[in-house]
Amino acid sequence: AQSVTQPDIHITVSEGASLELRCNYSYGATPYLFWYVQSPGQGLQLLLKYFSGDTLVQGIKGFEAEFKRSQSSFNLRKPSVHWSDAAEYFCAVGEGNNDMRFGAGTRLTVKP
Amino acid sequence: DTGVSQDPRHKITKRGQNVTFRCDPISEHNRLYWYRQTLGQGPEFLTYFQNEAQLEKSRLLSDRFSAERPKGSFSTLEIQRTEQGDSAMYLCASSGDFDEQFFGPGTRLTVL
Repeated sequence: AQSVTQPDIHITVSEGASLELRCNYSYGATPYLFWYVQSPGQGLQLLLKYFSGDTLVQGIKGFEAEFKRSQSSFNLRKPSVHWSDAAEYFCAVGEGNNDMRFGAGTRLTVKP
Repeated sequence: DTGVSQDPRHKITKRGQNVTFRCDPISEHNRLYWYRQTLGQGPEFLTYFQNEAQLEKSRLLSDRFSAERPKGSFSTLEIQRTEQGDSAMYLCASSGDFDEQFFGPGTRLTVL
């Protein structure tokens, strides 16, 4: 069965600094991979997704993620963090767009 | 279309009472999903509909839980004889056949 591990429960970065959030997955075939962001009181918003093709995926709000099959990873990156990026970030793996399994999330705090 | 909507946004109930939540998906989406999210965790899959057919149910969905999507449009999730352990955020999402899932704002249930 597929599963997702987000090793970092909480990360703090300074505004303007770069960001990398880690995600490792377990899945037997080529997975569908997703990153979602959840702000307090808001629903989950899709940042980006990987289905196939180019392993470097561009998303909204300046985020990108790279699928590395050899490392079973799909880390999320942003070159310069803004205060508005403070939120909870969830990595998810699925078979198609069904049967998604989410990680426990990484809470991002942005220091001024 | 303004996206996935859920009603109510908050529900407080006493242990042993029944509660029902409603989800209205994006109108052209034929797939609808229910998730449960507890504090500090990612969403956990509960069940999934394709049109009016309930195709998959998680083992998390005990006999006290039932979900319906009678006309392939809106869906309801009912919890009978609520327990304190049912306190959580209940999320609904919808998708087309090959799209990502779009999430609603959730219904926060508190069982006293």
